[in-house]
Amino acid sequence: SQQGEEDPQALSIQEGENATMNCSYKTSINNLQWYRQNSGRGLVHLILIRSNEREKHSGRLRVTLDTSKKSSSLLITASRAADTASYFCATDALGAGNMLTFGGGTRLMVKP
Amino acid sequence: DTAVSQTPKYLVTQMGNDKSIKCEQNLGHDTMYWYKQDSKKFLKIMFSYNNKELIINETVPNRFSPKSPDKAHLNLHINSLELGDSAVYFCASSTGTKGTIYFGEGSWLTVV
Repeated sequence: SQQGEEDPQALSIQEGENATMNCSYKTSINNLQWYRQNSGRGLVHLILIRSNEREKHSGRLRVTLDTSKKSSSLLITASRAADTASYFCATDALGAGNMLTFGGGTRLMVKP
Repeated sequence: DTAVSQTPKYLVTQMGNDKSIKCEQNLGHDTMYWYKQDSKKFLKIMFSYNNKELIINETVPNRFSPKSPDKAHLNLHINSLELGDSAVYFCASSTGTKGTIYFGEGSWLTVV
């Protein structure tokens, strides 16, 4: 099974609302990353959080990491229609080099 | 000024054929990867190639072989294509084996 698993699998919200996506993983990690994928496109790196960090911000994005629970969350505040995409977490497990393991993604739809 | 570019973007081919997907990065990265994304959007690492060291995901059939003529290129060659090989293949690169990975736009392979 996937090292990282996102929850929910799909999320539909109105523009202006906040979107929260969660990721759980199984083994100890070096870092956890979040990526975004627009339909028919490649993945774009959003943010990386290291195992010794608990929270990180980048613009409207806020990522938290709880290594004791092996979970992370991605919060997008004041969502826009352009945020519609799939969001994936990826873990860099200890000893695995940079062989990222991805979850199945959360498909976010932001309605205008 | 595309960072990671892969060709072709779309490829339709018959079962049993041999095909290659090319990848080039102009970011000066020393590590390159191939990922496979299936119809359910799950992304799986196939190969990691760093300074002539090839790390292979053990689940990848040996019909798949990466070829790196130089640090900026990592091509994917697939022999005896099967229906189950239909997927989107993403090339990616990074500096070293830690940190942010940059993805190409994907190559959509359909085996008929």
